[in-house]
Amino acid sequence: SHDLTQPPSVSVSPGQTATITCSGDALSTKYASWYQQKSGQAPVLVIHADTKRPSEIPERISGSASGTMATLTITAAQVEDEAVYYCFSPDSSGSHGAFGGGTKLTVL
Amino acid sequence: QVQLQESGPGRVKPSETLSLTCTVSGDSITNNRYYWGWIRQPPGKGLEWIGTLYYTGSSYPSPSLSSRVSMSIDPSKNQFSLQLTSVSAADTALYYCARCPRDDSWTGYPASWGQGTLVTVSS
Repeated sequence: SHDLTQPPSVSVSPGQTATITCSGDALSTKYASWYQQKSGQAPVLVIHADTKRPSEIPERISGSASGTMATLTITAAQVEDEAVYYCFSPDSSGSHGAFGGGTKLTVL
Repeated sequence: QVQLQESGPGRVKPSETLSLTCTVSGDSITNNRYYWGWIRQPPGKGLEWIGTLYYTGSSYPSPSLSSRVSMSIDPSKNQFSLQLTSVSAADTALYYCARCPRDDSWTGYPASWGQGTLVTVSS
């Protein structure tokens, strides 16, 4: 099965750097994308193709990938960044997708 | 700017078929740059990928749901649809449709999302 593993929670103080990881075998050959979901809202794409950021997403949000791990980094995190973050990737065959379990980011 | 809107019954009885439609505006569903996808989220839980389809009719359902899922596309209405058979309480979820830019996979990545529609399975 195509599994993506994320830590359940990450907590930082305002202004600190938050790092959220996503691990899975498929990530060695497939791109990861990342989504921010605030309470009661639909998910929003923040990173695709491992590192690409949509124009409307703040530059403090960035992505990287190495081997079987993708990483979302939020530099100088703000209270407004509090959300659940999900990674997504296709499986190795490219035919099926999966989301990670989600990471709740707390900034306080 | 593309917009997607899910529609369908908010309640389905156990063992029956869940049917949802996604209406797309601001883009053509035959745009060959995109796949069209379904994602769901049980109350208080994480996201689950259901599957994607292409305007040609090719579909790529999740292996865990493939025996119960069918997806179709209606270019004349600029809509695509999801059917999930033999539903149970475990299928209660917020169902999202999404536009998925093509990449090197047959799933793309969900980039633009509808607001979601809650479907409750209950008698």
